Amino acid sequence: AQSVSQHNHHVILSEAASLELGCNYSYGGTVNLFWYVQYPGQHLQLLLKYFSGDPLVKGIKGFEAEFIKSKFSFNLRKPSVQWSDTAEYFCAVSNRGFKTIFGAGTRLFVKA
Amino acid sequence: EAGVTQFPSHSVIEKGQTVTLRCDPISGHDNLYWYRRVMGKEIKFLLHFVKESKQDESGMPNNRFLAERTGGTYSTLKVQPAELEDSGVYFCASSQKKGGTGDTEAFFGQGTRLTVV
Repeated sequence: AQSVSQHNHHVILSEAASLELGCNYSYGGTVNLFWYVQYPGQHLQLLLKYFSGDPLVKGIKGFEAEFIKSKFSFNLRKPSVQWSDTAEYFCAVSNRGFKTIFGAGTRLFVKA
Repeated sequence: EAGVTQFPSHSVIEKGQTVTLRCDPISGHDNLYWYRRVMGKEIKFLLHFVKESKQDESGMPNNRFLAERTGGTYSTLKVQPAELEDSGVYFCASSQKKGGTGDTEAFFGQGTRLTVV
């Protein structure tokens, strides 16, 4: 069965610190990979996605993620976080457009 | 273009009552999904419609949950009778199948926060 594991449930950083959120998935077939974000009081939004091609994917707001197939990983990174990045981040995998499996989420708090 | 909309945004009901949640997908999206997030836990898949047909309902927790998508447009999720453990945020998402490859992204609604007391 598919599963998604996010390494950290809570992360606290100071502004300008670098961010890396770990994500590993379990699925033997071809997958689409996503990172979603939910800002306080808002709905889930797509941060970035990987379908094929360049394994380094750039998303909105300076986020990027790297797909490493051999490690079944899709880690999210940002070189310098801002207070406005405080949110909950979800890694997700889908089997080519069908149901999406989510990780448990990582709550990021950025101190101003 | 309007996004995925869900009604109501919040619902508080007593144990044993019935609640119906509604989701209006993005126009033209064949795929519609329901998800649920119980407090502090992961977002879990409930079911998937392709147009009006249930493609996958493996995530439905029990027979107190009934989902419909009449005419392949909006969908409803009814919980009858509601139990305390049904509390959570119910998300709906839709996606458009492109060219047969199935490479799509899902667009999510804002969710319905259900509280059963």
